[in-house]
Amino acid sequence: EVQLVESGGGLVQPGGSLRLSCSASGFTFITNFMHWVRQAPGKGLEYVSGITSNGGDTYYAESVKGRLTISRDNSNNTLYLQMSSLRPEDTAVYYCVKGPYYMDGWGKGTTVTVSS
Amino acid sequence: DIVMTQSPDSLAVSLGERATINCKSSHNVLYSSNNKNYLAWYQQKSGQPPRLLIYWASIRESGVPDRFSGSGSGTDFTLTISSLQAEDVAVYYCQQHYTTPRTFGQGTKVEVK
Repeated sequence: EVQLVESGGGLVQPGGSLRLSCSASGFTFITNFMHWVRQAPGKGLEYVSGITSNGGDTYYAESVKGRLTISRDNSNNTLYLQMSSLRPEDTAVYYCVKGPYYMDGWGKGTTVTVSS
Repeated sequence: DIVMTQSPDSLAVSLGERATINCKSSHNVLYSSNNKNYLAWYQQKSGQPPRLLIYWASIRESGVPDRFSGSGSGTDFTLTISSLQAEDVAVYYCQQHYTTPRTFGQGTKVEVK
């Protein structure tokens, strides 16, 4: 069974930084494209970032380019999202998601709140 | 980026009746070399993460009831719930997986009338 467990969320001031982690199990992590998707309170789903199986290529939504960095550690089956220069509009639940094309595995999410 | 537009934003359907959600893409998501439409549907119940229902526009994910079906090609797609059950109350999203960023529709809220 696919398991994705996010951690690292919390309250941070505007301009601050945070690193999210996602521990993966139940599937072959090293062969899977991975994503981060977020959902602001009461809003829809927003694609944030994606990374190829070997980490060689990364993709970002325009709204986060230059501020968020996706990476992975295939030896430890872990996905990361380094977040810096955070803004109030980054407040959301952040989901770790599996899938090269369609997204067939989702974590329960970790909440990031950017507020002074 | 490809823009996905769903309609309606919400709908209320009586139990046992049909619910239909439309999704329009700003770009053709049919890949001609394999004749696959790169379009997925997700269901999100309150307080839960999304769940994959349909991929390649019409393939049901394992475990998804057969009252859920997807259709369409190119830029216009439909998710149909043939006989609404109480447990189908949720927000439904379409998503293109043709290119990155993998954009979502704004969501359609389905309620019981």
